[in-house]
Amino acid sequence: GAVVSQHPSWVICKSGTSVKIECRSLDFQATTMFWYRQFPKQSLMLMATSNEGSKATYEQGVEKDKFLINHASLTLSTLTVTSAHPEDSSFYICSATAGFGNSPLHFGNGTRLTVT
Amino acid sequence: RKEVEQDPGPFNVPEGATVAFNCTYSNSASQSFFWYRQDCRKEPKLLMSVYSSGNEDGRFTAQLNRASQYISLLIRDSKLSDSATYLCVVIANTGNQFYFGTGTSLTVIP
Repeated sequence: GAVVSQHPSWVICKSGTSVKIECRSLDFQATTMFWYRQFPKQSLMLMATSNEGSKATYEQGVEKDKFLINHASLTLSTLTVTSAHPEDSSFYICSATAGFGNSPLHFGNGTRLTVT
Repeated sequence: RKEVEQDPGPFNVPEGATVAFNCTYSNSASQSFFWYRQDCRKEPKLLMSVYSSGNEDGRFTAQLNRASQYISLLIRDSKLSDSATYLCVVIANTGNQFYFGTGTSLTVIP
């Protein structure tokens, strides 16, 4: 089945530093990738939709200058959390779809970010 | 109104019970529907697609009711390992907009 790889699985960083998270589709071309954040015991929150070769579309309330998304190829999207603060600590998950017909979403394994 | 609505539960059922979840959607032109399972501190994983004619995979049955705009997931003979959060996902008619339910929490009790 389709596989989406996300790296790193967990990261601890100091406040003020930037963290880059990678999301790769390993066996299909992902025209669209999505980035989510999930706080404990809460539902997934869509942060942004990333289309290959174009700017990401951010959800209301998500700062585009803080959460930089790059989708330079059909198999890779990156999310960079800039100047991270403790309140950015969360579980970040990407998902990808080939984007045709009724293709389901395939999720990466998630990145647990802790900002100290 | 939310695009997709789902009862968050929690549903606490004894082992062996049958349990059903519904998920309603607002866009009548929605084209594809899925159920995902998410375990605690893990990513969602595709459980099954939902086809117009309904489909079954072992103890799991998914159904689509277009007239009333909802999908359902039935779990028979619940196992302890079925404890998880079940998410419904709906694809809009544009093909690249995915809408999530908030998830329904299921705990199967020994």
